[in-house]
Amino acid sequence: KAGVTQTPRYLIKTRGQQVTLSCSPISGHRSVSWYQQTPGQGLQFLFEYFSETQRNKGNFPGRFSGRQFSNSRSEMNVSTLELGDSALYLCASSLDGTYNEQFFGPGTRLTVL
Amino acid sequence: AQRVTQPEKLLSVFKGAPVELKCNYSYSGSPELFWYVQYSRQRLQLLLRHISRESIKGFTADLNKGETSFHLKKPFAQEEDSAMYYCALAQGAQKLVFGQGTRLTINP
Repeated sequence: KAGVTQTPRYLIKTRGQQVTLSCSPISGHRSVSWYQQTPGQGLQFLFEYFSETQRNKGNFPGRFSGRQFSNSRSEMNVSTLELGDSALYLCASSLDGTYNEQFFGPGTRLTVL
Repeated sequence: AQRVTQPEKLLSVFKGAPVELKCNYSYSGSPELFWYVQYSRQRLQLLLRHISRESIKGFTADLNKGETSFHLKKPFAQEEDSAMYYCALAQGAQKLVFGQGTRLTINP
């Protein structure tokens, strides 16, 4: 079974731009979660989607948004990028809505200049 | 607020010695706790969860509600245990609150 894939793996943007990251979950998984990982703040939950609906949201500004498609693939978008948005963005998928094991992708490394 | 604390950023032990990685949490409800591990150049992956009460790769973790702790233990460390370990608390379905992580190094 193929694992969680994230594209692109690396991204360099400048302040003020916007960016879209993509996540393809494991086949059959309907829940996709997004996390931001930085050296200072560690791993922080952004949001979770299940069957195209956002069920949970972390404490991030409205510049961070996401969506999920009918095939469970998910995208997250960050608008008006700031230097502090530089981070590793991890996507995780799980089977359904319970406390199932989350399978993480390799992450997208975003650098904002 | 729900919080997970891993007091040690770095932990270094010798091969064959016992290992204990500490994790304390604050949560008002009934906690669901996990340990995730990230080996060098690999993805973050689940090591174990308290609800299954199993031993994985020789590691165990017991939930102590009185002390609000979920420490990870292994009686005899192996070199392949060197990795980054994260304690996590499930807050709502699929929302994990992570600790800052402990980098474990096993010396030969």
